[in-house]
Amino acid sequence: GIQVEQSPPDLILQEGANSTLRCNFSDSVNNLQWFHQNPWGQLINLFYIPSGTKQNGRLSATTVATERYSLLYISSSQTTDSGVYFCAVEPGYSTLTFGKGTMLLVSP
Amino acid sequence: EAQVTQNPRYLITVTGKKLTVTCSQNMNHEYMSWYRQDPGLGLRQIYYSMNVEVTDKGDVPEGYKVSRKEKRNFPLILESPSPNQTSLYFCASNPNRPGTGWASGANVLTFGAGSRLTVL
Repeated sequence: GIQVEQSPPDLILQEGANSTLRCNFSDSVNNLQWFHQNPWGQLINLFYIPSGTKQNGRLSATTVATERYSLLYISSSQTTDSGVYFCAVEPGYSTLTFGKGTMLLVSP
Repeated sequence: EAQVTQNPRYLITVTGKKLTVTCSQNMNHEYMSWYRQDPGLGLRQIYYSMNVEVTDKGDVPEGYKVSRKEKRNFPLILESPSPNQTSLYFCASNPNRPGTGWASGANVLTFGAGSRLTVL
């Protein structure tokens, strides 16, 4: 099946710093989503982005489908950004496969 | 409010005692799925359902059963729970089956709040 690798596995930031999270995948995909899991375990969709660039406030994401990677940018990080960020991809007519996540800790 | 509701949220049980985790969505979604989350392993799919009476195995189906008798409900059944099924479980739903609706951006997965299960 498709392989999904996220990097870095862990990240510690000072509040106000910027960061880039990466998701590499091993096959072409029809669907790519980024999720944030907050410290209480809730999983929230951030972006649906099989290709191109999207922005939502301090967050933006870019997927370069031809090169099989996606990037999630967090600018001016806040403590509420802490949690785990997951990338999930859907190859062809198969179901979503998740990466193992990047755990982000933003300290005040 | 559009949501996926799963119950119970927390459960401690003993080996071999059958249990069911319920999942219900009110968005008329076709596709529903169950995931388990374990430290260092991310989310792994247990079972999924493309529509009523259509279910299929995910990556880690052993020890689990599901049913989809109605569009809104997708219960997860552990017939004889074992300690290795101690985990955080998530139910999720999607407007369309995988591979469809992607052009409209409609295939955004919505998760329930999670069910933390401990099997002693």
